[in-house]
Amino acid sequence: QKEVEQDPGPLSVPEGAIVSLNCTYSNSAFQYFMWYRQYSRKGPELLMYTYSSGNKEDGRFTAQVDKSSKYISLFIRDSQPSDSATYLCAMAGNTDKLIFGTGTRLQVFP
Amino acid sequence: DTGVSQDPRHKITKRGQNVTFRCDPISEHNRLYWYRQTLGQGPEFLTYFQNEAQLEKSRLLSDRFSAERPKGSFSTLEIQRTEQGDSAMYLCASSLSRAEETQYFGPGTRLLVL
Repeated sequence: QKEVEQDPGPLSVPEGAIVSLNCTYSNSAFQYFMWYRQYSRKGPELLMYTYSSGNKEDGRFTAQVDKSSKYISLFIRDSQPSDSATYLCAMAGNTDKLIFGTGTRLQVFP
Repeated sequence: DTGVSQDPRHKITKRGQNVTFRCDPISEHNRLYWYRQTLGQGPEFLTYFQNEAQLEKSRLLSDRFSAERPKGSFSTLEIQRTEQGDSAMYLCASSLSRAEETQYFGPGTRLLVL
């Protein structure tokens, strides 16, 4: 079993929809949770960073962490075609290396 | 551009050749990381540096791989005797000195071994 599980998709939604992306993890030592967006053939771009449990909102993006369930989510409101990309969750605990999910490919169609 | 830069962006080589990639981190960042990403997968950690000291190496980093950060600024990743299985995107990231600081990624070097 991988430390971080993420549905690879693809997830296809109409413009304006609310998108929900999720990851589960098994390592209870994870304390730092991140969401990265990656366009095709580009490097990952940091979207959201959360420490421990709770919610964090930034514009159209909301990140949620539920450590008791070992479950994290990213919500995108009013999705746009420019949001079409692969979304990677990443986590870190006592070491500095990030453990990534496989990424979920999102397509927002007009 | 004050972000992480990597060079080259693309590299095609023949099996058995050596290749070297360079990463320039964000200027005030003391920590530098190398990851490898294959198609359909998330990045996988290879190694990281705190200034010039290499602090951790993944078991993915075979003896054909070597990374350096001689002056605590830029870093190089060398792959000797490349194999077709080395074909991947090699990503560099940097962060401030504290472990909890987030990592910012460069555009990556895409390697194809023929």
